[in-house]
Amino acid sequence: NAGVTQTPKFQVLKTGQSMTLQCAQDMNHEYMSWYRQDPGMGLRLIHYSVGAGITDQGEVPNGYNVSRSTTEDFPLRLLSAAPSQTSVYFCASSLGQGEYEQYFGPGTRLTVT
Amino acid sequence: GEDVEQSLFLSVREGDSSVINCTYTDSSSTYLYWYKQEPGAGLQLLTYIFSNMDMKQDQRLTVLLNKKDKHLSLRIADTQTGDSAIYFCAEIAPASGGSYIPTFGRGTSLIVHP
Repeated sequence: NAGVTQTPKFQVLKTGQSMTLQCAQDMNHEYMSWYRQDPGMGLRLIHYSVGAGITDQGEVPNGYNVSRSTTEDFPLRLLSAAPSQTSVYFCASSLGQGEYEQYFGPGTRLTVT
Repeated sequence: GEDVEQSLFLSVREGDSSVINCTYTDSSSTYLYWYKQEPGAGLQLLTYIFSNMDMKQDQRLTVLLNKKDKHLSLRIADTQTGDSAIYFCAEIAPASGGSYIPTFGRGTSLIVHP
């Protein structure tokens, strides 16, 4: 199993550009989520999905869209990038919520200039 | 919103025990977690404890939970240089609609020196 994969590893965007961060898992996990990690802060939940076709907002959803058309993939779209979105983005998946272990991808480091 | 607090740095000598502390505010927390993050990598779950337990031991790791004081600690026995990393405390509690939203602390950087 590859686990949770994310692409790209690094990305630089100009303000106003859009892009999609890709996340895929091959563990048949129902639950997937996106976090951002900023210096000196813990992870903050952006969006999550409890299964294909179902998504919901987390703590900091503004400026981001998600969709979940398959169990495997959970892309995160930045509609119009802003410098405040400079961060490291982590995708995670688990069998379910609660006591189930979350498996994290290696992260995407995004810089918006 | 709910909050999870941790000290930012801890420095220990190789072979000593490390104790990383965490406090949280959400009294409805059901699970509390410790994650480890090595440089340039994602988080890796180390251990977790259910809120009705007060202790859990797993090899060199001991988790203590004081639910009354909302205090969680992670003790690493015989700390090694490979334990140098950032350790995140996290809690999960039921949110509206039946989902669970995790809250993470800012992370404690553990530095192990020879």
